[in-house]
Amino acid sequence: ETGVTQTPRHLVMGMTNKKSLKCEQHLGHNAMYWYKQSAKKPLELMFVYSLEERVENNSVPSRFSPECPNSSHLFLHLHTLQPEDSALYLCASSQGTSEKLFFGSGTQLSVL
Amino acid sequence: EDQVTQSPEALRLQEGESSSLNCSYTVSGLRGLFWYRQDPGKGPEFLFTLYSAGEEKEKERLKATLTKKESFLHITAPKPEDSATYLCAVRYRYNFNKFYFGSGTKLNVKP
Repeated sequence: ETGVTQTPRHLVMGMTNKKSLKCEQHLGHNAMYWYKQSAKKPLELMFVYSLEERVENNSVPSRFSPECPNSSHLFLHLHTLQPEDSALYLCASSQGTSEKLFFGSGTQLSVL
Repeated sequence: EDQVTQSPEALRLQEGESSSLNCSYTVSGLRGLFWYRQDPGKGPEFLFTLYSAGEEKEKERLKATLTKKESFLHITAPKPEDSATYLCAVRYRYNFNKFYFGSGTKLNVKP
């Protein structure tokens, strides 16, 4: 398998649930990202990991918690989300933080 | 403050009808300008990177150009399979960890 793989593709959760999004990259890259994409809005950067160290935390609420156990895997742990958190969550990777991004297909999240 | 602005928001073309999409950005230490294509239900797919004013890149029916304030994505004789949302992103020297994305142009090419 090649590229960037995200699971699950769709997720519906209640405001009191706890869930995790998973991202795996098979490109040998050393930087990974979480982006949020809402309708008619620009992609919003949430977190950047470079060499498994978080280098960017873009004022994201604490109900989103990232984890990067190694250079190939990235998680986004979710708890007590709000309906306005419903969006497409995209994972991306790159070789170095200044190179082009390779995106996964995203997780479409609905918070009820 | 908007860093990247794309226009138009949506564009409908007949097959074969050439046009251009615009991406304007605040000027101060551009490190690179990137164009991506996004199909429904998928993540953005990389198309081009431009680094300096005057630079041009081509791929099939697409041609990207860059000036000191904006970039254009020219689509020549488009086909229905070119229908997608085209995203522009900019990286600046003072925060090279971060891409600033525009809201995109949704292109619909009718046969």
